[in-house]
Amino acid sequence: DTGVSQDPRHKITKRGQNVTFRCDPISEHNRLYWYRQTLGQGPEFLTYFQNEAQLEKSRLLSDRFSAERPKGSFSTLEIQRTEQGDSAMYLCASSLAGQGVPDTQYFGPGTRLTVL
Amino acid sequence: AQTVTQSQPEMSVQEAETVTLSCTYDTSENNYYLFWYKQPPSRQMILVIRQEAYKQQNATENRFSVNFQKAAKSFSLKISDSQLGDTAMYFCAFMKHPPNTGNQFYFGTGTSLTVIP
Repeated sequence: DTGVSQDPRHKITKRGQNVTFRCDPISEHNRLYWYRQTLGQGPEFLTYFQNEAQLEKSRLLSDRFSAERPKGSFSTLEIQRTEQGDSAMYLCASSLAGQGVPDTQYFGPGTRLTVL
Repeated sequence: AQTVTQSQPEMSVQEAETVTLSCTYDTSENNYYLFWYKQPPSRQMILVIRQEAYKQQNATENRFSVNFQKAAKSFSLKISDSQLGDTAMYFCAFMKHPPNTGNQFYFGTGTSLTVIP
């Protein structure tokens, strides 16, 4: 399967712990996005990368959240000192952006985080 | 700021019938893209159809078509010959264009569609 993959699929942690999620985009895609989705809501944008550069961050992304894409391939999203309000599905998407090409995003299966 | 509104939280349709899901959006942009994504239960989000705002012709993908009314800022999805596999949450999404000025999607809250056998 050559789609977007995310690991782990589920994560249960205690409040105050740090967690890290990984996303592997479609191999030729140069853009990678992170979203957060809570129950009954649509995904909310967190941040995105073009190659290894982080180009935009949402105000939702507090200083406890950090994302990296060190080699322009896979990305990690880390949440430090987790809070119960961080419980959500974290979605990753990737796209191939170029002139005249609509920036259609393809989503991974998500990582469901539960903070106890 | 862009907003996307899906006013139908839940809908149902008989198998083989046609259903229309509504979506409205608010933007001051002239160039943008609109998307419908499908999220089956416990499965990942899948692109259903895409519309470029500069195109007047409505997009069509097999049983799925849109009614794009730019002046009214309306972007509805019509599903013809509904199948059981169409049961899912459907999200309408907006993205500004050109790229590099903000590529994030703005999603609506979704419409849960159930196809009844």
